[in-house]
Amino acid sequence: KAGVTQTPRYLIKTRGQQVTLSCSPISGHRSVSWYQQTPGQGLQFLFEYFSETQRNKGNFPGRFSGRQFSNSRSEMNVSTLELGDSALYLCASSLAASGSGEKLFFGSGTQLSVL
Amino acid sequence: DQQVKQNSPSLSVQEGRISILNCDYTNSMFDYFLWYKKYPAEGPTFLISISSIKDKNEDGRFTVFLNKSAKHLSLHIVPSQPGDSAVYFCAASGTSGTYKYIFGTGTRLKVLA
Repeated sequence: KAGVTQTPRYLIKTRGQQVTLSCSPISGHRSVSWYQQTPGQGLQFLFEYFSETQRNKGNFPGRFSGRQFSNSRSEMNVSTLELGDSALYLCASSLAASGSGEKLFFGSGTQLSVL
Repeated sequence: DQQVKQNSPSLSVQEGRISILNCDYTNSMFDYFLWYKKYPAEGPTFLISISSIKDKNEDGRFTVFLNKSAKHLSLHIVPSQPGDSAVYFCAASGTSGTYKYIFGTGTRLKVLA
């Protein structure tokens, strides 16, 4: 069974640009969560989608948005990039909505560098 | 407000000895806890979990202990191996009210050969 796939693996952008990251969950998984990892901050929750609906949102500005498609694939978008957005963005999928005792399965992440 | 805290950023242990990684939480609504291991340039991988109805869960060399009254959990690795060197994250969630996983900041474990 294929794992969680995130594309692209690396991305370099400049301030003010926008970026779209993609995540394909494990087949059959309906929940996709996004996390931001920066040194010293651990994994910060961005949002979770379940059956194409945003189920929960973290404490990030509106420049961070996402969506989920009918095949459970998800995208996240960051507009008007800032230097502080440089981070590893991780996507995780689970069979059911997270927080219900479900394990999260993570992709390898997209390393975003904003110059 | 950091609801899940891992106060030790790093830990070094000799091969063959016990590694103990600690995690504290503040939200009494949390009732499910997980530990993840992360190697550089890879996503976190699930290690072990525990629900609040238990105080211990064991899987091979890994044991997680939960002390609900102290809002504290710990991961024991016995015996530690060099391949265990990684960053370990604890995460917590609630099955009612708090539906997302909250992660700690991680502890970097180094197992010395």
